[in-house]
Amino acid sequence: ETGVTQTPRHLVMGMTNKKSLKCEQHLGHNAMYWYKQSAKKPLELMFVYNFKEQTENNSVPSRFSPECPNSSHLFLHLHTLQPEDSALYLCASSQDLAGAKPQHFGDGTRLSIL
Amino acid sequence: AQTVTQSQPEMSVQEAETVTLSCTYDTSESDYYLFWYKQPPSRQMILVIRQEAYKQQNATENRFSVNFQKAAKSFSLKISDSQLGDAAMYFCAYAPRDYKLSFGAGTTVTVRA
Repeated sequence: ETGVTQTPRHLVMGMTNKKSLKCEQHLGHNAMYWYKQSAKKPLELMFVYNFKEQTENNSVPSRFSPECPNSSHLFLHLHTLQPEDSALYLCASSQDLAGAKPQHFGDGTRLSIL
Repeated sequence: AQTVTQSQPEMSVQEAETVTLSCTYDTSESDYYLFWYKQPPSRQMILVIRQEAYKQQNATENRFSVNFQKAAKSFSLKISDSQLGDAAMYFCAYAPRDYKLSFGAGTTVTVRA
């Protein structure tokens, strides 16, 4: 039981498709994050939500659209993606936004764009 | 912007031996937090150890310990009595007082039986 659950585990989609990634945390945390992990590169922070409100959009292209309906759920809606968007997408949560509070991660969704 | 550098892309260690992973970071802050995360093939990023910059004492968690050198901006991880289950990619991360974690590129650790 990881505490942070991501679905699907793998996703293959064409550039014209629309799909969504889902993240759910069972830890009672108030902050949730989306990261992109590409091979040989550090994790890139994409979006941050705190108490359902977006507090960070790290210059992410509009083809990625996040949604946070409540503090336990976070979605990443995808449309007209590019091949360079193929990566592992990790969701994380933390008790709050203080740097002292460690982030807890899910297993990620491996996304492949054809 | 803060940057985190892990200069060792890969490290190999014999089972039961010790391996040390290096990490340096760049910051102008005096109060911040440092982390080591482990990512095994299962992909889940797991927190290994955490260090508060205002604490001079090095953090320890069982077989994992750090050597925190604040003046040198260095934060190395030592894995003692290495086990096969320690094989993973290890990421060093920095966070200022807010949440913005900055990660290094990672070090892949292989454990030889």
